[in-house]
Amino acid sequence: GAVVSQHPSWVICKSGTSVKIECRSLDFQATTMFWYRQFPKQSLMLMATSNEGSKATYEQGVEKDKFLINHASLTLSTLTVTSAHPEDSSFYICSAILGQMNTEAFFGQGTRLTVV
Amino acid sequence: GENVEQHPSTLSVQEGDSAVIKCTYSDSASNYFPWYKQELGKRPQLIIDIRSNVGEKKDQRIAVTLNKTAKHFSLHITETQPEDSAVYFCAALLNTGGFKTIFGAGTRLFVKA
Repeated sequence: GAVVSQHPSWVICKSGTSVKIECRSLDFQATTMFWYRQFPKQSLMLMATSNEGSKATYEQGVEKDKFLINHASLTLSTLTVTSAHPEDSSFYICSAILGQMNTEAFFGQGTRLTVV
Repeated sequence: GENVEQHPSTLSVQEGDSAVIKCTYSDSASNYFPWYKQELGKRPQLIIDIRSNVGEKKDQRIAVTLNKTAKHFSLHITETQPEDSAVYFCAALLNTGGFKTIFGAGTRLFVKA
């Protein structure tokens, strides 16, 4: 199956700093990737849809200036958490799909962000 | 709006028994319904999926049923084993111009040996 790699797998940062998370499709081209956030014992909440070569589409309630998404190539999308605060601590996970319709989503291994 | 409801939130069964998890979705434009298993701290893994033109699909001990009229779909696990213990998420893929996957809240399954 298709492989999606996410880096780093965990990161600890100080409050007020920014953190960049990378999501790469290793063996396929992903025109669309998705970013989710998962708090402990909760579901995956879609934050935004990342489209190659265009602006990301953010879900309602997600601050686009705080969560910067860049999808500069067909194999890489990045999520930057700017001016991180302790409440941003969470499990961030990306996914990509192979095609346009009715298809399996392949997930990265996730990034556990802890803001201290 | 787009919503996927999942029940129960927690399910405890004896090894060998069956487990059933149910979901409903709100958007009739949904046409693909995957089920994921997630172990603690790991990525979700697809275990089975069903498309809107099919009513039922089975893969060994796992089956999924879909009722498009009622907007219901269910996961059935038979002959449960302790290694089935995990959190299970249903999801619905919406394709309305753009497309995205909306997840249910999850069901924590405990299989007691």
